[in-house]
Amino acid sequence: SQTIHQWPATLVQPVGSPLSLECTVEGTSNPNLYWYRQAAGRGLQLLFYSVGIGQISSEVPQNLSASRPQDRQFILSSKKLLLSDSGFYLCAWSVGTRVNNEQFFGPGTRLTVL
Amino acid sequence: TQLLEQSPQFLSIQEGENLTVYCNSSSVFSSLQWYRQEPGEGPVLLVTVVTGGEVKKLKRLTFQFGDARKDSSLHITAAQPGDTGLYLCAGERGYQKVTFGIGTKLQVIP
Repeated sequence: SQTIHQWPATLVQPVGSPLSLECTVEGTSNPNLYWYRQAAGRGLQLLFYSVGIGQISSEVPQNLSASRPQDRQFILSSKKLLLSDSGFYLCAWSVGTRVNNEQFFGPGTRLTVL
Repeated sequence: TQLLEQSPQFLSIQEGENLTVYCNSSSVFSSLQWYRQEPGEGPVLLVTVVTGGEVKKLKRLTFQFGDARKDSSLHITAAQPGDTGLYLCAGERGYQKVTFGIGTKLQVIP
């Protein structure tokens, strides 16, 4: 069966510090991978998605970047965090060739920027 | 403005009551998913509806996709405290284009 891992679970960082959040998927090959941010009252905002190694699409301009160095690894990064980067970050995967884009989410990372 | 509007945003009911939550849009979707999310966790997929007018049942939960594939509803019969959570709908408009609603936060009081 497939599983998705995210770490860390919680993170408190000062403004201006770097960020690296990691997501890995097990039990599937060539998944589509996604990073979302969830803020109170704003729903899930898609930040990045990837259909393959090294292929990253950005949905919104922002202070963050993403990379996919391996088939089942997706990393969210920032060089300098802003207060507005606080939120609940979710990684998700979907079957690469499936028509209906059902997504399976990781447990999330709660980021607080102070 | 949200592409997918969910209503109500908050709902608090007693155990055993029935309820319906809605997901509406002016856009047509090729498919629509419903998820439930508990605090501090990621959303969990409940169901996918694809065909206009489709009805799917998952125990006490009934999902319906509108005939025009622009809206959906979730009906819960005899709600239980375990049904408490944030219910999210997500519509797919094309390859990799999935939009989530803000969600309906449901609280079922024992």
